[in-house]
Amino acid sequence: DAGITQSPRHKVTETGTPVTLRCHQTENHRYMYWYRQDPGHGLRLIHYSYGVKDTDKGEVSDGYSVSRSKTEDFLLTLESATSSQTSVYFCATAGTDTYEQYFGPGTRLTVT
Amino acid sequence: AQSVSQHNHHVILSEAASLELGCNYSYGGTVNLFWYVQYPGQHLQLLLKYFSGDPLVKGIKGFEAEFIKSKFSFNLRKPSVQWSDTAEYFCAVTSVAGGTSYGKLTFGQGTILTVHP
Repeated sequence: DAGITQSPRHKVTETGTPVTLRCHQTENHRYMYWYRQDPGHGLRLIHYSYGVKDTDKGEVSDGYSVSRSKTEDFLLTLESATSSQTSVYFCATAGTDTYEQYFGPGTRLTVT
Repeated sequence: AQSVSQHNHHVILSEAASLELGCNYSYGGTVNLFWYVQYPGQHLQLLLKYFSGDPLVKGIKGFEAEFIKSKFSFNLRKPSVQWSDTAEYFCAVTSVAGGTSYGKLTFGQGTILTVHP
């Protein structure tokens, strides 16, 4: 496995609060991605990064923002958490061969 | 926009049975195709991938998949399943579009495979 860690691994938060999830990699991979996994939907891309300070929106980006100030860290922020953002969030990375992604262990987020 | 469809939501088999999970995608251009597996409580792991060449690709743990371009399909197969194959399986596709795809994956909905001993 690529050296990908996510923190926290579990979080319960209240509606309306901001939440930041962290993805950290030790592989020096250029590309990083945030997905959410929901039953019946598979994984859906939220945001991705193709380099430091270079990010773009994915399929389900509303209500989320990201930042990447250094190669190894990719942060996902829920600006004002809603119950519809209760999900499992996976970070993934890919090197110069962008087509094979390595996934982190996931963060289970519950918004009450 | 590309999309991926997996035919079965939940497949239940007995050990030693043969497995075939369907995957179809919609995209007119060149694609790279993947099957990922997620064992209970774990993260996604790559089973196999197709980039080009021989349309029959072999992956880990005895899995294989066949790319049929005319049918936009990439079905996953295993001749004899084991209890340890119980997991959720995801088909995924990324377009190869002049280097601007950034490897973004589009996933199918997933198929839960339950294998009874």
